[in-house]
Amino acid sequence: QVQLVESGGGVVQPGRSLRLSCAASGFTFNNFGIHWVRQAPGKGLEWVAIISHDGGNERFADSVRGRFTVSRDNSKSTLYLQMNSLSTEDTAVYYCAKGSSSFYYPHMDVWGKGTTVTVSS
Amino acid sequence: EIVMTQSPATLSVSPGEGATLSCRASQSISNRLAWYQQQLGQSPRLLIYGASIRATGIPARFSGSGSGTEYTLTINGLQSEDFAVYYCQQYNVWPLTFGGGTKVEIK
Repeated sequence: QVQLVESGGGVVQPGRSLRLSCAASGFTFNNFGIHWVRQAPGKGLEWVAIISHDGGNERFADSVRGRFTVSRDNSKSTLYLQMNSLSTEDTAVYYCAKGSSSFYYPHMDVWGKGTTVTVSS
Repeated sequence: EIVMTQSPATLSVSPGEGATLSCRASQSISNRLAWYQQQLGQSPRLLIYGASIRATGIPARFSGSGSGTEYTLTINGLQSEDFAVYYCQQYNVWPLTFGGGTKVEIK
């Protein structure tokens, strides 16, 4: 079955960096865009970023643009989120989610269980 | 950025009753609207996409409707597993945006 497993979360100091990974299985990874979505403690969902099926297109939320980058290794069916200049406002559970298309007009049809990022001194 | 507004914030419903959740977009989103359910401590699950198309495996008691800027999720005959938070999301325009959520709780 389709599965997404996030890893790499943890506690990090403000201003530092962290890289999250998302390992995918059960579908043809290089056919679909993949999203990152986050949820701060007790809050709602916030879309963070998407990368297209081939890595050639990306979009970011204003709140992370210029600090976060997204990449993928289709040979490993793995997605990455590089997070730099972290602040306490980035504290959240980070989910990766499979897009419904290669890039455009993509809802999220399968979600991982998430990995927790805590930014604290 | 398109702002998605969900109402009400909380809905108290008795098991077996129906529930109607609303979602309004700040501009037309051409039916590119999805609904997600998030049970306590779980990751979100896709219920509806294209405003009215049930995702694979979603029971028929869930239905979506609407167009333009106004959308509705209807749940008929609420079961215990339906008490959760529901989010709408537009995927017509970047950045993608979610509503603030409606919590459906047991009355």
